[in-house]
Amino acid sequence: IAGITQAPTSQILAAGRRMTLRCTQDMRHNAMYWYRQDLGLGLRLIHYSNTAGTTGKGEVPDGYSVSRANTDDFPLTLASAVPSQTSVYFCASSDSGGGRNEQFFGPGTRLTVL
Amino acid sequence: GQNIDQPTEMTATEGAIVQINCTYQTSGFNGLFWYQQHAGEAPTFLAYNVLDGLEEKGRFSSFLSRSKGYSYLLLKELQMKDSASYLCAVMDSNYQLIWGAGTKLIIKP
Repeated sequence: IAGITQAPTSQILAAGRRMTLRCTQDMRHNAMYWYRQDLGLGLRLIHYSNTAGTTGKGEVPDGYSVSRANTDDFPLTLASAVPSQTSVYFCASSDSGGGRNEQFFGPGTRLTVL
Repeated sequence: GQNIDQPTEMTATEGAIVQINCTYQTSGFNGLFWYQQHAGEAPTFLAYNVLDGLEEKGRFSSFLSRSKGYSYLLLKELQMKDSASYLCAVMDSNYQLIWGAGTKLIIKP
C-alpha cells in the first residue's frame, strides 16, 4: 500500500442498513479524518482522531461513529443509514493535527442511500 | 459562524494567468491551505500560507493578508490539465480545517 486506501469505492445502500467505510494509511501519520463532500458545499469534517486511541467530533457527527484502535485504520460506521447521508466520503491523514501539516486524502467512497 | 468564500466558477484561456480569490472569517487562524481537486478524484495539496505575503512554487503562487482575511491563488501559463476545482481551507483555533466550497476552473484552448 502507498498512501491511503478506502473501501468500498462505491456502494448503494438501503435506508436503515448499517454500513462501515474502511480507511487504511501506511504513512504512520498520527492524525486521521473523515469528511463528506456534497455538491455546492465545502468538505465537512465528520470525525477526527489526533492519535491512536482518541477520537473527536467534527462539524457533522450525527449518525456516524468512528474508532481508532491502531495508527493505520480509521473506520467510519453509519449505524442506520438515511438518504441524507448520500455523499462522497473522503478519509485523510496528516503527520499531526495542526500547523503546516497538510492532509493527504484517500480516493473516496461514493455512497448512495435509497 | 465560520465562513470561507470563493467564486463558484471561473474560465480562463490556455497560456494565460488566473487569480482565484478566497476570503475567510474564522474563529482563530493557524494557516491557510490551497488544494486542487480534479473531477472524481481526491483533493491534493498545493500551497500553505501562515504569514502575510506571497509564496511562489513553480507556476503556482499563493498570497495571504491576515488583516484582510484574504488569500489568492495565482496560476500562470495555464495548461489544460489545470482544469479542476481549487479548494481554499483555513485552520481554525481548534486546528481543524474549515473548507470553502471550491472554485471550478475551466480552461479553454
